[in-house]
Amino acid sequence: GAVVSQHPSRVICKSGTSVKIECRSLDFQATTMFWYRQFPKKSLMLMATSNEGSKATYEQGVEKDKFLINHASLTLSTLTVTSAHPEDSSFYICSAPKGGSAEAFFGQGTRLTVV
Amino acid sequence: AQSVTQPDIHITVSEGASLELRCNYSYGATPYLFWYVQSPGQGLQLLLKYFSGDTLVQGIKGFEAEFKRSQSSFNLRKPSVHWSDAAEYFCAVGVLGAGNMLTFGGGTRLMVKP
Repeated sequence: GAVVSQHPSRVICKSGTSVKIECRSLDFQATTMFWYRQFPKKSLMLMATSNEGSKATYEQGVEKDKFLINHASLTLSTLTVTSAHPEDSSFYICSAPKGGSAEAFFGQGTRLTVV
Repeated sequence: AQSVTQPDIHITVSEGASLELRCNYSYGATPYLFWYVQSPGQGLQLLLKYFSGDTLVQGIKGFEAEFKRSQSSFNLRKPSVHWSDAAEYFCAVGVLGAGNMLTFGGGTRLMVKP
């Protein structure tokens, strides 16, 4: 199966700082990647769709200035949580579809804690 | 828009007992259906998937699921649960035309009694 790598797996940051999370497709190219957020003991909610070479598409209620998404290459999408606050603490996970497959491949997830 | 419902938030079964986790979906066309498992603090592991064909799908770790179009269901089953199966289980529906974006159910937390 295809491999999607997400880094870092855990990060702790201070309020007001920014954190960048990387999502890489290791053995295939992905023109689209998805970013999900999971609150404690909750399900995964789609935040945004990352499109290579163009602007990301954000779901309703997701602040695009807070969660900056960049999809600069066919194998890398980044999510930057800007001016992080404790309420941004969550589990963030990315996925990438592989061309010709209806399956989405998930990264390992990033647990963000803002103190 | 598609949606997924997992009616049971928590389920507790005894080790060795059989298991069925319920999943109902709402989608206008033939869905792509998935079951994922998530251990505490971990990412998602795909258990099985249904795209087309045989409605009874076999997955990893002894899990299977049956797609029933008439009931809009995709229930996950296992004949004999092991303590290591304790985790959170998510059912999801995929929309191929939307680049394989997934909509997840709320999840079912499985606890296994010794």
